[in-house]
Amino acid sequence: DAGITQSPRHKVTETGTPVTLRCHQTENHRYMYWYRQDPGHGLRLIHYSYGVKDTDKGEVSDGYSVSRSKTEDFLLTLESATSSQTSVYFCAVTGGKGYGYTFGSGTRLTVV
Amino acid sequence: DQQVKQNSPSLSVQEGRISILNCDYTNSMFDYFLWYKKYPAEGPTFLISISSIKDKNEDGRFTVFLNKSAKHLSLHIVPSQPGDSAVYFCAASGNFGNEKLTFGTGTRLTIIP
Repeated sequence: DAGITQSPRHKVTETGTPVTLRCHQTENHRYMYWYRQDPGHGLRLIHYSYGVKDTDKGEVSDGYSVSRSKTEDFLLTLESATSSQTSVYFCAVTGGKGYGYTFGSGTRLTVV
Repeated sequence: DQQVKQNSPSLSVQEGRISILNCDYTNSMFDYFLWYKKYPAEGPTFLISISSIKDKNEDGRFTVFLNKSAKHLSLHIVPSQPGDSAVYFCAASGNFGNEKLTFGTGTRLTIIP
């Protein structure tokens, strides 16, 4: 267990409001990822980080920004939430060699 | 462009029988493949992996087969148990797992008691 905590677990927000999701890890992993899961699309990479203050875009990064000021925390921000961003968001860290990623339990976000 | 495809959104199998989940990929640079299992309200968890230097990897009831020429992999579960009911994602990576994972769309497996 990589000790990954996502908060909040559930959130309902209104269109146009900013939202920040938090991912916290306790095992000093260098790489962290944000994915969203949607029916028919599987898991799609939003942004990832390869160290403090080092981040890069994934395949569905439009409308999202991230920050990583400490090794243990990776924040995902929706600057102005839209209904198309209703989804389940997963944070992941690189697990042991050969295990790919270890995922958090997810945040279910609903934008109304 | 979906580089990793799982063409069966769902699959139902009788308890005790074999479950076969399929995955196709298009990127010839992928050389490391993984299967993840996901229960509702939980994050995906690692199940089994295979490197392109092998064509089969086995772990208990789970076996993954890789056909590089066809760019196809499959996950076999024998015998299937009710606890295997979940969504299964295949994932692929380059550089023997050192690059970002690309996931398929998932297959929901239901084991019928």
